[in-house]
Amino acid sequence: DQQVKQNSPSLSVQEGRISILNCDYTNSMFDYFLWYKKYPAEGPTFLISISSIKDKNEDGRFTVFLNKSAKHLSLHIVPSQPGDSAVYFCAASETSYDKVIFGPGTSLSVIP
Amino acid sequence: GAVVSQHPSWVICKSGTSVKIECRSLDFQATTMFWYRQFPKQSLMLMATSNEGSKATYEQGVEKDKFLINHASLTLSTLTVTSAHPEDSSFYICSARSGLGDETQYFGPGTRLLVL
Repeated sequence: DQQVKQNSPSLSVQEGRISILNCDYTNSMFDYFLWYKKYPAEGPTFLISISSIKDKNEDGRFTVFLNKSAKHLSLHIVPSQPGDSAVYFCAASETSYDKVIFGPGTSLSVIP
Repeated sequence: GAVVSQHPSWVICKSGTSVKIECRSLDFQATTMFWYRQFPKQSLMLMATSNEGSKATYEQGVEKDKFLINHASLTLSTLTVTSAHPEDSSFYICSARSGLGDETQYFGPGTRLLVL
């Protein structure tokens, strides 16, 4: 059973607009959440994280929102740039020390 | 900072041979290293967690006698795929975590294994 779900396998957004990538999880013990970006044939690159004591974390163009009651988080990228085109993985763990469980990924295409 | 390398980046081998993949943390000491595999268009699946100087912890369904993991130092972990078969062909990725105030996992570039 998939503990971390990303129900949109792909997303297309116009350059300059907002990209919103969604993630849902089922394990109520998860307390630490991360987003990674991955290009083909490369390892994932860490983007941003959030722990359950916060509901929002921002880093430049990237903002992650967490709704613990709904077991839902989202990554907002604004403004979107063509270089943001990649696969984005949502990941979760029970603490920042525990193993990380990855979602299936969402492929983002930013159209110039 | 926080660079993780893997070697080799590509390997093609015959069925029945063993293949060793190295994972190195270049600018930090990694108390914990993780090994993942990724099949085409699928997510990263954790295979095992290794802490320096102790035995690796394998995920359910991963054969520890087939995927030998050694974490002999704070900067090096190796994954050996023993008696490789075509179904072992995959993209193997390692990650490393310092555990010293920074719990982020930093990933290597991955190793593409093709078993003929």
